[in-house]
Amino acid sequence: QITLTQQAESLWISPGERVSITCRASQSLLYTDGKHYLSWYQQRPGQTTKALIYHASVRTDGVPTRFIGSGSGTEFTLSIEHVQPEDFAIYYCLQTLKSPLTFGSGTKLEIK
Amino acid sequence: QVTLKESGPGILQPSQTLSLTCTFSGFSLSTYGMGVDWIRQPSGKGLEWLANIWWDDDKYYNPSLKNRLTISKDTSNNQAFLKITNVDTADTATYYCARTTVVTPFDYWGQGVMVTVSS
Repeated sequence: QITLTQQAESLWISPGERVSITCRASQSLLYTDGKHYLSWYQQRPGQTTKALIYHASVRTDGVPTRFIGSGSGTEFTLSIEHVQPEDFAIYYCLQTLKSPLTFGSGTKLEIK
Repeated sequence: QVTLKESGPGILQPSQTLSLTCTFSGFSLSTYGMGVDWIRQPSGKGLEWLANIWWDDDKYYNPSLKNRLTISKDTSNNQAFLKITNVDTADTATYYCARTTVVTPFDYWGQGVMVTVSS
């Protein structure tokens, strides 16, 4: 199965700063259609899990433009510009290229 | 507006069968490209994908749970189901269902239902 590694368990930043969360795959997530099957999700206590990015860089409807997905092959990044108070949460990457679908271990964004 | 809500027994004993229901609105599992996935999360830990079912009744399972999983759907009542046989304490977790489409994976999630396996 494909393993996704999110090296950082936690990242401490101040509101207003920019942060990047990385996700590394054990094999390329590029499919023959030219798309990368990597998506990003946000988990906040008391809220439903929120889809942010799919195909590595496409924002889901309604997601603020400060959330930016990038990367290719096996290395992917979720960047958040001008972090807002509501962005302090846990972020997971997910690969949907091959079954079984697998998640990264999560990165918790914490207030410095 | 898409919503999903999970329901389950709350507590069950080892070796029993866990039956979960996902009741949804705002889409139909008979529509091309629609699917429902089940995911679980032990308290304080990460997410584990379990299974999914598609509009055409295609089904996929996580082989780590071997043959313990069965996913099904009732399109008339907008529900999807997951059964896990022979549960043990390692199956204690919050279980989520999520809508997926052929373009956007897991684009809407339910709030989750907590399940405890204990003797």
